[in-house]
Amino acid sequence: QVLLQESGPGLVKPSETLSLTCTVSGASISSYYWSWIRQPPGKGLEWVGYVFYSGSTNYNPSLKSRLTIALDTSENQFSLKLNSVTAADTAVYYCAGLKPSWDIELWGQGTLVTVSS
Amino acid sequence: QSVLTQPPSVSGAPGQRVTISCTGSSSNIGTHYHVHWYQQLPGTAPKLLIYGNINRPSGVPDRFSGSKSGSSASLAITGLQAEDEADYYCQSFDTSLTTSIFGGGTKLTVL
Repeated sequence: QVLLQESGPGLVKPSETLSLTCTVSGASISSYYWSWIRQPPGKGLEWVGYVFYSGSTNYNPSLKSRLTIALDTSENQFSLKLNSVTAADTAVYYCAGLKPSWDIELWGQGTLVTVSS
Repeated sequence: QSVLTQPPSVSGAPGQRVTISCTGSSSNIGTHYHVHWYQQLPGTAPKLLIYGNINRPSGVPDRFSGSKSGSSASLAITGLQAEDEADYYCQSFDTSLTTSIFGGGTKLTVL
């Protein structure tokens, strides 16, 4: 059974860096594009970006200047770092596994990150 | 404002058929890139419902079907059931943005 589990602080101060990790179990790290999607409270889904095991990445253009997604194959984990956060970055962050045809086959349960002082 | 446009809400009585539209443009749905649909039940993570425009993952009832024509796509649900009450999202790739995009989501209410 495939399991994706997000972990990280639930509260981040404005202007600081939001850091999350996703631990993957039951799936080959080379079979998916490891992704982050976020959902502000009461709103729709927003694509954040992905990292592939080759090292290639794809980022939402609106977040690109603040965003880093990295893969740690030795730990079967991937991470998200979003710097200079504001209240607009408050959201449930989902880690996910994306197929080459861009369908998101695997989803974590999501973790709420609140940006507030 | 989402690049892909969905109606904010649709509703139907049990047993009825409803459709949810997803309208894009020549830089996303109007290309060779596929449209995918997700169901998000209240308080849960989204779940892949339709992939590659028309395909159902294992375990998804055949009451759910997808289609794509030109720069638009649709999700149809027949034989509505109370358990279908959820938010539904379409997703594709945009060649101008060179990234994935979602529709704004549609809330389905079963009357």
